[in-house]
Amino acid sequence: SQTIHQWPATLVQPVGSPLSLECTVEGTSNPNLYWYRQAAGRGLQLLFYSVGIGQISSEVPQNLSASRPQDRQFILSSKKLLLSDSGFYLCAWSVLRVWTFGSGTRLTVV
Amino acid sequence: AQSVTQLGSHVSVSEGALVLLRCNYSSSVPPYLFWYVQYPNQGLQLLLKYTTGATLVKGINGFEAEFKKSETSFHLTKPSAHMSDAAEYFCAVSLNSGGSNYKLTFGKGTLLTVNP
Repeated sequence: SQTIHQWPATLVQPVGSPLSLECTVEGTSNPNLYWYRQAAGRGLQLLFYSVGIGQISSEVPQNLSASRPQDRQFILSSKKLLLSDSGFYLCAWSVLRVWTFGSGTRLTVV
Repeated sequence: AQSVTQLGSHVSVSEGALVLLRCNYSSSVPPYLFWYVQYPNQGLQLLLKYTTGATLVKGINGFEAEFKKSETSFHLTKPSAHMSDAAEYFCAVSLNSGGSNYKLTFGKGTLLTVNP
């Protein structure tokens, strides 16, 4: 069966520190992969999506970047975190227009 | 451009009462529509989806939604609310982003409170 792993579950980082969130998918090949951010009262915003290894599309200009070094691995990064990067980050994958979400990472930048 | 609007950021009902969460969409092509539920500090769980065919869609936990093309709506209902239904609910539409690639765009969510 297909599963999606996302870690860590919670993270507290100081302003200006780097960030790396990882997401891996099992049980499927060549999925579309997504990073969403959920900020308080603002719903879910699509940050990045990827249709294949090394292929990244950015939806909004921001302080973050994404990479897909392997077919089933999707990484969200930042070189220097801002306070405004705080939020709940969700990874997702889709095949044939069915989306499955990870359990999320709560990031607090202090 | 396609979009999703959820009317009411917060809905409060009594236990046993009807639950109605409203969703309207804008799409230039026949949409795929979804309802997701999110419990605190958890990911999203799919409640139900509409692709093609029957316009009344039944999902998990007793929820259902009806696709009404003429009204561009996909409202979520449940006849009798349970305390465990308290959560945030998101309506979403899948958009073609080029070729066979699709993105999922969400409404801003509706927080459902169930009072005893």
